[in-house]
Amino acid sequence: AQSVAQPEDQVNVAEGNPLTVKCTYSVSGNPYLFWYVQYPNRGLQFLLKYITGDNLVKGSYGFEAEFNKSQTSFHLKKPSALVSDSALYFCAVRDRTSGTYKYIFGTGTRLKVLA
Amino acid sequence: EAGVAQSPRYKIIEKRQSVAFWCNPISGHATLYWYQQILGQGPKLLIQFQNNGVVDDSQLPKDRFSAERLKGVDSTLKIQPAKLEDSAVYLCASSLDLAGVNEQFFGPGTRLTVL
Repeated sequence: AQSVAQPEDQVNVAEGNPLTVKCTYSVSGNPYLFWYVQYPNRGLQFLLKYITGDNLVKGSYGFEAEFNKSQTSFHLKKPSALVSDSALYFCAVRDRTSGTYKYIFGTGTRLKVLA
Repeated sequence: EAGVAQSPRYKIIEKRQSVAFWCNPISGHATLYWYQQILGQGPKLLIQFQNNGVVDDSQLPKDRFSAERLKGVDSTLKIQPAKLEDSAVYLCASSLDLAGVNEQFFGPGTRLTVL
């Protein structure tokens, strides 16, 4: 079965420092990978996705993610963190079985950017 | 464009009562999803519609949960009777495509508390 893992419940980083939120996946076939962000009392917002092509994917709000097939990882990164980046981040993978598909989400990583 | 609309935003009920949630997806989006997000966890897919047909409801507790998507547009999710463990945020999302390539757009969610 397809799955994603977010090994860190929380990541703390100082404002202005680079940040990384980790995600590893397990899929059969080519992975479709997504990152979403959730602010308090809000629904999830799409940040970026990897379908095919360049391993470095750029997304919204200055975020990027690197697809690494050999390490089965899709870590979210940002060169310089902002306090406003503090939120809950979810990695997701598309699970395709029996001709249909659905998304499987990780458990989430809470990012706290300290001023 | 208008986003995904959900109502109500909050609902408190006693166990064994019934409750219904409503979702209006983005116009033209073929696929509609209902997720359950329990505190501290990632969203779990309950049911997925493509137009007005059910694609996946394998994780929907069918003895108490039901959902429909009228005319391939609006959708309602019902719980009857509710249990304490149904306390969660219920998220509705929609996406444009039928292959899981495009991102999902999420509504703000309905926070259900079962007492």
